[in-house]
Amino acid sequence: AQSVTQLDSHVSVSEGTPVLLRCNYSSSYSPSLFWYVQHPNKGLQLLLKYTSAATLVKGINGFEAEFKKSETSFHLTKPSAHMSDAAEYFCVVSDRGGSYIPTFGRGTSLIVHP
Amino acid sequence: EAGVAQSPRYKIIEKRQSVAFWCNPISGHATLYWYQQILGQGPKLLIQFQNNGVVDDSQLPKDRFSAERLKGVDSTLKIQPAKLEDSAVYLCASSPTFQSQSYEQYFGPGTRLTVT
Repeated sequence: AQSVTQLDSHVSVSEGTPVLLRCNYSSSYSPSLFWYVQHPNKGLQLLLKYTSAATLVKGINGFEAEFKKSETSFHLTKPSAHMSDAAEYFCVVSDRGGSYIPTFGRGTSLIVHP
Repeated sequence: EAGVAQSPRYKIIEKRQSVAFWCNPISGHATLYWYQQILGQGPKLLIQFQNNGVVDDSQLPKDRFSAERLKGVDSTLKIQPAKLEDSAVYLCASSPTFQSQSYEQYFGPGTRLTVT
């Protein structure tokens, strides 16, 4: 069984300040973990993925995430927010030892203030 | 490479009518997914195909929803009869084969369904 919890439904930051979007997961197998972004009226796009290589994963647009097995976390960070980062962000877990069936979190809405 | 194609982009129907959605995945992608995304929520997996076999359909309301992927390429999702609560965006996604060790999904633009 697997599940994913995005701890914040909304995160509000000022432009130029750091971003932290939190994600905890539960998995019976070694998981693959992903972050996707959904801009208004646009399709879902992959930001980054963890599939058992380096625990610190770098993605597009300056985002990165760190896989912490002991904390069952995969938080998404960015050093400096840009107005264009305003979007909905989804954390996804997929059991690599199972059938690779993905489970989405409920999403975190990132609001960026000028 | 061409992305995941979906049609139609928008559909408005009355309750108890039927509707069908079509998806064409990225060429060579063995895995195909259908999701339902209700406004303000994360996508919910309805069905996952590996080639033309079903990997998981545990969240598909089988009394009214059906899906097929003949020949392991494109796929259709049907709702019959539709209910008001089926109003949502229906997303299709595809992934490369297991052997590539790459399970990220590539999403289509979605079909926005409104049931009145």
